[in-house]
Amino acid sequence: DGGITQSPKYLFRKEGQNVTLSCEQNLNHDAMYWYRQDPGQGLRLIYYSQIVNDFQKGDIAEGYSVSREKKESFPLTVTSAQKNPTAFYLCASISRGAGGFDEQFFGPGTRLTVL
Amino acid sequence: QKEVEQNSGPLSVPEGAIASLNCTYSDRGSQSFFWYRQYSGKSPELIMFIYSNGDKEDGRFTAQLNKASQYVSLLIRDSQPSDSATYLCAVTGANSKLTFGKGITLSVRP
Repeated sequence: DGGITQSPKYLFRKEGQNVTLSCEQNLNHDAMYWYRQDPGQGLRLIYYSQIVNDFQKGDIAEGYSVSREKKESFPLTVTSAQKNPTAFYLCASISRGAGGFDEQFFGPGTRLTVL
Repeated sequence: QKEVEQNSGPLSVPEGAIASLNCTYSDRGSQSFFWYRQYSGKSPELIMFIYSNGDKEDGRFTAQLNKASQYVSLLIRDSQPSDSATYLCAVTGANSKLTFGKGITLSVRP
């Protein structure tokens, strides 16, 4: 069964803690993305990676870090420097669709709450 | 700053009516345009994509693109209560980066 998995589904963090969100895909996609969604807002890009061992900052990278050691995995760490981390986090990967254009597909998301 | 703007909602239509969702974008170099449906608490699901000017139909959904006016829309015919969700417009720029609008919540009244 191919797809994108994220874990955990719900995560609670205390002030000052770092937490890591998992994203795995078995679709053989090269590019992977992390987004953050706040209530009533669209998705904002945190980091993206187009190839193993390479990643780029998105629009709101401060307070976050990523790694891309394997093609299948793109974990996101929310550090204590992120002052307002409570949000819904979505991981996505790219599939090249008909006509040669890219289509993004999303994992089920992780809802992070700071206590 | 590349922007994607959607009508402020929510939008409410009766069952069986046509729902019209609109989106404008600022980057004239945008190539690909997507509509995602997102149910409450779930991740976005791709329902339509369009690359060329004109209309593209898929079942009850029609996407319309006008690059000269930088405008993309989604029409939902014969709206059903199960269509009640938030609809996100997204536009692809450089490096396949998607820029999303804030979304519009559609409510279909039985």
